[in-house]
Amino acid sequence: QVQLQESGPGLVKPSQTLSLTCTVSGGSISSGGYYWSWIRQHPGKGLEWIGYIYYSGSTYYNPSLKSRVTISVDTSKNQFSLKLSSVTAADTAVYYCARVVTMIVVADYWGQGTLVTVSS
Amino acid sequence: DIVMTQTPLSSPVTLGQPASISCRSSQSLVHSDGNTYLSWLQQRPGQPPRLLIYKISNRFSGVPDRFSGSGAGTDFTLKISRVEAEDVGVYYCMQATQFPLTFGGGTKVEIK
Repeated sequence: QVQLQESGPGLVKPSQTLSLTCTVSGGSISSGGYYWSWIRQHPGKGLEWIGYIYYSGSTYYNPSLKSRVTISVDTSKNQFSLKLSSVTAADTAVYYCARVVTMIVVADYWGQGTLVTVSS
Repeated sequence: DIVMTQTPLSSPVTLGQPASISCRSSQSLVHSDGNTYLSWLQQRPGQPPRLLIYKISNRFSGVPDRFSGSGAGTDFTLKISRVEAEDVGVYYCMQATQFPLTFGGGTKVEIK
């Protein structure tokens, strides 16, 4: 059973960089066939897809966030990470990591999510 | 970006009765490979989203058969044949035909 778990600071100051890591267990990131993704949900709101990384390191970012987002992968630790720079209060959200199956493009496994609050 | 619009925003349902949720996309979700990458997710209170249906009508592993999906092109529907208490939550449609992936605004299913 694949499991994903987000980790990182729950509080970030405005203008700083939000950094989160997703640890994958029960499966290898290096096996291919998946887009390892970040998705966020503003409090009480809907879902916004941030971007993905493939095990090879290729990435795709949502154009709405592209200038501030970096997603990286560490296959030796079976982890992938999100960095979002120059954060504002509008970036306060629950951040989820998820596995997206490339063949059918569905998010079949999700982490529990972690709330990140941007505040001074 | 493809805009996904769901109706209704809220659906109060009596236990054992059916529920239906609609999702409309701003452009056709038929991919150049012939597939339509429309899926449905359920988010129970305090939980992450969970995949229910993919490619319009395929139930994901472990999903009860009271959930069914249908539709084509730009109009899609999720039906729950007989709502149970555990079905309470918010339901989202998601398109993956074109990046960025986008989601509907959600429909809240609650018990009357």
